[in-house]
Amino acid sequence: SAVISQKPSRDICQRGTSLTIQCQVDSQVTMMFWYRQQPGQSLTLIATANQGSEATYESGFVIDKFPISRPNLTFSTLTVSNMSPEDSSIYLCSAGASANEKLFFGSGTQLSVL
Amino acid sequence: KQEVTQIPAALSVPEGENLVLNCSFTDSAIYNLQWFRQDPGKGLTSLLLIQSSQREQTSGRLNASLDKSSGRSTLYIAASQPGDSATYLCAVRRQAGANSKLTFGKGITLSVRP
Repeated sequence: SAVISQKPSRDICQRGTSLTIQCQVDSQVTMMFWYRQQPGQSLTLIATANQGSEATYESGFVIDKFPISRPNLTFSTLTVSNMSPEDSSIYLCSAGASANEKLFFGSGTQLSVL
Repeated sequence: KQEVTQIPAALSVPEGENLVLNCSFTDSAIYNLQWFRQDPGKGLTSLLLIQSSQREQTSGRLNASLDKSSGRSTLYIAASQPGDSATYLCAVRRQAGANSKLTFGKGITLSVRP
């Protein structure tokens, strides 16, 4: 299993600012993902964080709004840029070694944008 | 497009009751299915993972079953306790491979009354 540390756990931000969320895994993992969970909704995949290359974004999500870094096999960051109240959500980092193994999640970042 | 449904959205039971949480998916061509637990404002904890070739998995008081042909999975919780109160989500993965993503249901919020 993997232990994932995610920070900050929560933040309240002003409109127009940016927030960077960090995700640290205690072991090397092949796959790292970033999800968004809006109030009352299920998880939506934002992007797959690829080590050493640009992230792969899902439909509806763009790099300018959600830039992602993954400098090595244990660490990734997600930035929520130029925030608006619609970005208020829980953001979750997840990681897994392979497709047939469990996917593990960080504790989430609860973001509120005023 | 795969859709995952969990009904009802919320459930309240007295302590000690055995209960079943349902998950249905529209495309039976899945690789595996995973059940998660989410506490309020927190990340997800992996509970059980069932490969498409398996019928069930057990962990303690939890038992998850999979009927791929009918597009259904159930999570059975024996002798429920107040500490089981949380939201339970199921997610399906379509195929093996590093880029295969999960499709989540919206979850069932369980409340176990003392």
